[in-house]
Amino acid sequence: EAGVVQSPRYKIIEKKQPVAFWCNPISGHNTLYWYRQNLGQGPELLIRYENEEAVDDSQLPKDRFSAERLKGVDSTLKIQPAELGDSAVYLCASAPGQMNTEAFFGQGTRLTVV
Amino acid sequence: AQSVSQHNHHVILSEAASLELGCNYSYGGTVNLFWYVQYPGQHLQLLLKYFSGDPLVKGIKGFEAEFIKSKFSFNLRKPSVQWSDTAEYFCAVNARSGYSTLTFGKGTMLLVSP
Repeated sequence: EAGVVQSPRYKIIEKKQPVAFWCNPISGHNTLYWYRQNLGQGPELLIRYENEEAVDDSQLPKDRFSAERLKGVDSTLKIQPAELGDSAVYLCASAPGQMNTEAFFGQGTRLTVV
Repeated sequence: AQSVSQHNHHVILSEAASLELGCNYSYGGTVNLFWYVQYPGQHLQLLLKYFSGDPLVKGIKGFEAEFIKSKFSFNLRKPSVQWSDTAEYFCAVNARSGYSTLTFGKGTMLLVSP
């Protein structure tokens, strides 16, 4: 079974430029998470989807970050414009959507803003 | 909202030493508890999980964790570590009632010297 697939793996951009990350969750998983992980820190939630509905986006900096999950499958996270402080690893995870199940993580996208 | 506290940011052990990593959570209701591991260059993987039942749970690679409800703790243990256990370990929690966001601690970096 294929795991959670993220692309790109690495991205280097100049500040003020836009950037987008893509995530393909495990087939059949209704829950999708985007996390941001800074160096030496744990993952911090940006947004959680149940199917195509964003049910927890309280930590998403909405002035520059946006996300979508069309048809409740793939998801895209966008930053526009990027700032130096956005440099981090962006993780996507999915879960079956039932209670009492763990999340499965992708490899992440390492973003460097210069 | 729930939160997770991991006591040690860095732990250094020699091979064959015993390991215990502390994790405390803060949440007023019933929770699911997880330990994830991130080996160098790899994605987050589930080590073990607790949903209900026996508070002593066993995971992969000889790890175990004990849920102590009165102490809001879920400490990770291994009797004898190996060099290959060098990794970052994250404790995580979500509320059992309904669909709930998975919240992580800041992580503990374990370095095992041969």
